[in-house]
Amino acid sequence: GQQVMQIPQYQHVQEGEDFTTYCNSSTTLSNIQWYKQRPGGHPVFLIQLVKSGEVKKQKRLTFQFGEAKKNSSLHITATQTTDVGTYFCADTSGTYKYIFGTGTRLKVLA
Amino acid sequence: DAGVTQSPTHLIKTRGQQVTLRCSPKSGHDTVSWYQQALGQGPQFIFQYYEEEERQRGNFPDRFSGHQFPNYSSELNVNALLLGDSALYLCASSLGRDSRYFGPGTRLTVL
Repeated sequence: GQQVMQIPQYQHVQEGEDFTTYCNSSTTLSNIQWYKQRPGGHPVFLIQLVKSGEVKKQKRLTFQFGEAKKNSSLHITATQTTDVGTYFCADTSGTYKYIFGTGTRLKVLA
Repeated sequence: DAGVTQSPTHLIKTRGQQVTLRCSPKSGHDTVSWYQQALGQGPQFIFQYYEEEERQRGNFPDRFSGHQFPNYSSELNVNALLLGDSALYLCASSLGRDSRYFGPGTRLTVL
């Protein structure tokens, strides 16, 4: 069945360093969403990407959708301690269910 | 405007027991989806309810069942609990199929 993999699984960075997580699908995606889940919390919607090659920015966060719509990335510039959490991508193509990626757990060291 | 709410927050059960979890969708939303999130993993889709019927189901056994009420709130029932059912159970609501609003979840521990 369809799989959505994320790399890396874990990332520790010093505060102020950049961070990138990559999301790869075994099938072509129609849409992709990104979520952040703080420790002990629930997934919080960040953004949705729809178009091939799309790039969206939210302050220090940059989201990209691959040209072939089989991968996506989230880049955080100059991380802060408030960025700590697990970042998930989710394939929201076609049907009613979302297929979440494996997640990347980010730890920011002050 | 209340967001998605879930109850209870935490629950401890023993193997073989049955459990019912509850979800109230965000105001104006008519669709409820349930997800199971095991520790260290991404949420896994259980099923979605719309117009009081199960619209789509993920790869979960029949021990997992649900219900949606006329006010759009929903229940998730799990029978014959197994240790592996221990997880965070998340409810997401939407108007239409875009279920991006998640509730705080119910942490279920099966002993």
